[in-house]
Amino acid sequence: DAMVIQNPRYQVTQFGKPVTLSCSQTLNHNVMYWYQQKSSQAPKLLFHYYDKDFNNEADTPDNFQSRRPNTSFCFLDIRSPGLGDAAMYLCATSRDGQRDQPQHFGDGTRLSIL
Amino acid sequence: QKEVEQDPGPLSVPEGAIVSLNCTYSNSAFQYFMWYRQYSRKGPELLMYTYSSGNKEDGRFTAQVDKSSKYISLFIRDSQPSDSATYLCAIGSSTLTFGKGTMLLVSP
Repeated sequence: DAMVIQNPRYQVTQFGKPVTLSCSQTLNHNVMYWYQQKSSQAPKLLFHYYDKDFNNEADTPDNFQSRRPNTSFCFLDIRSPGLGDAAMYLCATSRDGQRDQPQHFGDGTRLSIL
Repeated sequence: QKEVEQDPGPLSVPEGAIVSLNCTYSNSAFQYFMWYRQYSRKGPELLMYTYSSGNKEDGRFTAQVDKSSKYISLFIRDSQPSDSATYLCAIGSSTLTFGKGTMLLVSP
């Protein structure tokens, strides 16, 4: 089945230790998104790639970076995680980012900070 | 005023009940409307999407949009325990803005 796959499902890191979360997709979609979701909160868009074009949300901290080496893969790098960065991180894709194209989500990576 | 408002619940109903879930939004520029279901420790799963006022039906689910009132609803008929989840509305133009979600509990 075509899908969005996030690895790992659970990640534990130490305060200040860089961490990378990965997302892959078999849908061949042009757009990939990264969201942060804290408990009982709405998913918050961090940034998205339209093909290779990177689009950062204005309020996304500089601590968060992303890479998209090819159509299928996208990475979220947190350079110096703080306790406030503990959350579920969701990757999503859409075919071409047009208004009538829904987003398809992976099952997320739950990040804990020690 | 937040862009998308959604009652967090929890909403508890008996099996077989009709469920009504609602969101209000403030930005009249929003053009499309989606409902996602999210089970615990899983990603959101798309249920319904539409970009026009009126009703859209898919099995036991009906999405309703009233652009004049900036109000959207999701109705679930013959609710089942397997429907127990958090339901997120998502509304947008170029990007999506999510509500916080309503937790639904359907008891057998």
